[in-house]
Amino acid sequence: DVKVTQSSRYLVKRTGEKVFLECVQDMDHENMFWYRQDPGLGLRLIYFSYDVKMKEKGDIPEGYSVSREKKERFSLILESASTNQTSMYLCATEATAYEQYFGPGTRLTVT
Amino acid sequence: AQSVTQLDSQVPVFEEAPVELRCNYSSSVSVYLFWYVQYPNQGLQLLLKYLSGSTLVESINGFEAEFNKSQTSFHLRKPSVHISDTAEYFCAVFTGGGNKLTFGTGTQLKVEL
Repeated sequence: DVKVTQSSRYLVKRTGEKVFLECVQDMDHENMFWYRQDPGLGLRLIYFSYDVKMKEKGDIPEGYSVSREKKERFSLILESASTNQTSMYLCATEATAYEQYFGPGTRLTVT
Repeated sequence: AQSVTQLDSQVPVFEEAPVELRCNYSSSVSVYLFWYVQYPNQGLQLLLKYLSGSTLVESINGFEAEFNKSQTSFHLRKPSVHISDTAEYFCAVFTGGGNKLTFGTGTQLKVEL
């Protein structure tokens, strides 16, 4: 079974803090993704990566950055957290035929 | 640009009743279509997919979806739901031009006794 783990299930941060969300996969997949999930908006793609040290902007990259130094790890960084970044963050990897495998999510609250 | 519409945000249904969750997409090119399910406090799981071939696809837990190209739809159905089917269901479309999955806004299925 594909396993995608995220460093925290729940996270509370203050406005202006730098926040790191970590995602690790154990299946040697090249493609990895970060989404945020908000009620009524579904999933929106923030960033994705097709290889180590490679990144591409998704639909809503503003206020976020990413890092992929190793194939199995894909990090999402909020440089200066704001209250409108309170959300559920989901990491995913992609196997063949565009199937994506998701982690359990990190519910981030910015106060 | 591709888009996915799930018209129903919530669908309440009694156990053992049939259900249909609607999904329509817009794309002028060939598409791959997916349904994902999200149980409470969990990430998304792939439920079923259409890539090519038979337009009717099935999941292991009794759901099915039919790709209708003329109506640009990929509705999800189950003839008899169980309480354990309570979850949020997301339709998604992939096209080569966009090179990424686009998700609908989700449909919350609530199965009641």
